[in-house]
Amino acid sequence: KAGVTQTPRYLIKTRGQQVTLSCSPISGHRSVSWYQQTPGQGLQFLFEYFSETQRNKGNFPGRFSGRQFSNSRSEMNVSTLELGDSALYLCASSSQGQYNEQYFGPGTRLTVT
Amino acid sequence: SQKIEQNSEALNIQEGKTATLTCNYTNYSPAYLQWYRQDPGRGPVFLLLIRENEKEKRKERLKVTFDTTLKQSLFHITASQPADSATYLCALPGSSNTGKLIFGQGTTLQVKP
Repeated sequence: KAGVTQTPRYLIKTRGQQVTLSCSPISGHRSVSWYQQTPGQGLQFLFEYFSETQRNKGNFPGRFSGRQFSNSRSEMNVSTLELGDSALYLCASSSQGQYNEQYFGPGTRLTVT
Repeated sequence: SQKIEQNSEALNIQEGKTATLTCNYTNYSPAYLQWYRQDPGRGPVFLLLIRENEKEKRKERLKVTFDTTLKQSLFHITASQPADSATYLCALPGSSNTGKLIFGQGTTLQVKP
């Protein structure tokens, strides 16, 4: 099976702009989660989608949003970018077995200038 | 609130030795615990899962223990190799039966030839 794919891999944006990141999960996986990784805060959970519904949300401002499509592909959007949003954004999919091991994509490296 | 602690200092060991990494948690009674490996610039890769009723789990050169009384998991790599050099993350479920995971900050392992 093909792994989790994320596009784009690298992105440079300016403060105040918005950005959309895309994630294609492993075929058959219905759960998609998004994480932000920074050197200072580590890996932090953003939100999870399951069957097109947001099932969990982390402690991030409303500027961070996401959605999931009927084919399980997911997008996340960050509006009004701030310098502190510079991070590696990781998408993970899960088959939703009982113990939910996550399969991560390579990430999107976002730099805000 | 839930808190996960991993040794933030890098662990340097000689090739062939056993590496032992520690994950401690507080204010939490998780149903399971997971370990991931992350290489620079890449997404984490799932390694092992251990359930609360399991004391020990093995996979090839990897061994994980889970002490729910001490609220601690130990991750061992026996006969370590330079290719084992990476950051190792422990993760606990953020809520039951969902994709949300709470990650520790990770411990970087450096295996010297």
